[in-house]
Amino acid sequence: EPEVTQTPSHQVTQMGQEVILRCVPISNHLYFYWYRQILGQKVEFLVSFYNNEISEKSEIFDDQFSVERPDGSNFTLKIRSTKLEDSAMYFCASSRGQRFSSETQYFGPGTRLLVL
Amino acid sequence: DAKTTQPNSMESNEEEPVHLPCNHSTISGTDYIHWYRQLPSQGPEYVIHGLTSNVNNRMASLAIAEDRKSSTLILHRATLRDAAVYYCILRDLRTRSQGNLIFGKGTKLSVKP
Repeated sequence: EPEVTQTPSHQVTQMGQEVILRCVPISNHLYFYWYRQILGQKVEFLVSFYNNEISEKSEIFDDQFSVERPDGSNFTLKIRSTKLEDSAMYFCASSRGQRFSSETQYFGPGTRLLVL
Repeated sequence: DAKTTQPNSMESNEEEPVHLPCNHSTISGTDYIHWYRQLPSQGPEYVIHGLTSNVNNRMASLAIAEDRKSSTLILHRATLRDAAVYYCILRDLRTRSQGNLIFGKGTKLSVKP
């Protein structure tokens, strides 16, 4: 069964450093998402991406964040200058792209980011 | 998306049925009811969804009240692997974009051997 994959599984970085989290969505999916989950808290939406542009973003997704689909398979989340409060589990998700709210999103296993 | 209310936690015994309730009294006629779950240290996982009629799949059943103000996720025989946080999420049929999933706190299900 196809699945969303994410690398790395864990990342430790120093405050102020740039990090890039990588995702490979399911191959025939057209919509891609990033969510995050701070330890012990709810899963929060960050951004959705379709047709090489951002379709929606939350208040969390400020100028420090960017997303890119550099090739036909990868989807990346970049944090330009990490803060302590960026420490969280980051989940990538994808969906086929039908314009119905019955659409299922498929999540990756996550990248645990720790900012020191 | 309309708001949902779920119990914080529930317990079940292994191999017994589990009924996980969700209240959504402000649901609109165009809201789909989705259930996702999150196993420990994993990403959320789709379970089931429905609009008006009860739904069954290989993972679970979804029973939707006639007035649609509540629904129940039914796991017919809980296994230890079903221990997870279960999220009930409403998605508006009229959503033009793919939109995001709005996760609440969900119900933490514990399964005892």
